[in-house]
Amino acid sequence: GAVVSQHPSRVICKSGTSVKIECRSLDFQATTMFWYRQFPKQSLMLMATSNEGSKATYEQGVEKDKFLINHASLTLSTLTVTSAHPEDSSFYICSAKTGDNQPQHFGDGTRLSIL
Amino acid sequence: AQTVTQSQPEMSVQEAETVTLSCTYDTSENNYYLFWYKQPPSRQMILVIRQEAYKQQNATENRFSVNFQKAAKSFSLKISDSQLGDTAMYFCAFMKQFGDDKIIFGKGTRLHILP
Repeated sequence: GAVVSQHPSRVICKSGTSVKIECRSLDFQATTMFWYRQFPKQSLMLMATSNEGSKATYEQGVEKDKFLINHASLTLSTLTVTSAHPEDSSFYICSAKTGDNQPQHFGDGTRLSIL
Repeated sequence: AQTVTQSQPEMSVQEAETVTLSCTYDTSENNYYLFWYKQPPSRQMILVIRQEAYKQQNATENRFSVNFQKAAKSFSLKISDSQLGDTAMYFCAFMKQFGDDKIIFGKGTRLHILP
């Protein structure tokens, strides 16, 4: 149980393109999902908390107009990297909780490469 | 603010040996959770073990066990009879019990199990 699916697993696109990443909870409902960014050989950095039916809460330093988050249902959150540039290249991971005070379950991640 | 420190960037042990990964944390909270997550080369984050701060008994999951010292704010992970499949990045993590469910990750320890 508690499977989180993330799609796509790999994206390569040209600079200026907008890229959408999906995060789905397959066997549970998630009112809250989290989006992380991970640079090579580094830890996970929380970008934002995605709340179903309301605006996402962004961490300090994360541009909300650059990284658009939509959590339209209890099983789906999307992260759109708008007008992506090479510096946005990174590994993006989402997670979801099965309930209050429960550990987060992570998706497989998306490797984004902007040429 | 909470912090999580992993002082061992990289470790290598022979297969079948026992290895201990160290983790210390800093918090003013009394109720919280601690986790160890594993990130193999496939990059998926996998929950290895979880400890509730109010429990004195150390958590155990098969070959994985923790040494939780609340007063010392220490939370080490012991892997017994290590296997090649244990090769991964290991992250120690902290989460408040009553809060925003954000997880604070350490910088990770890269563990190599040698044949």
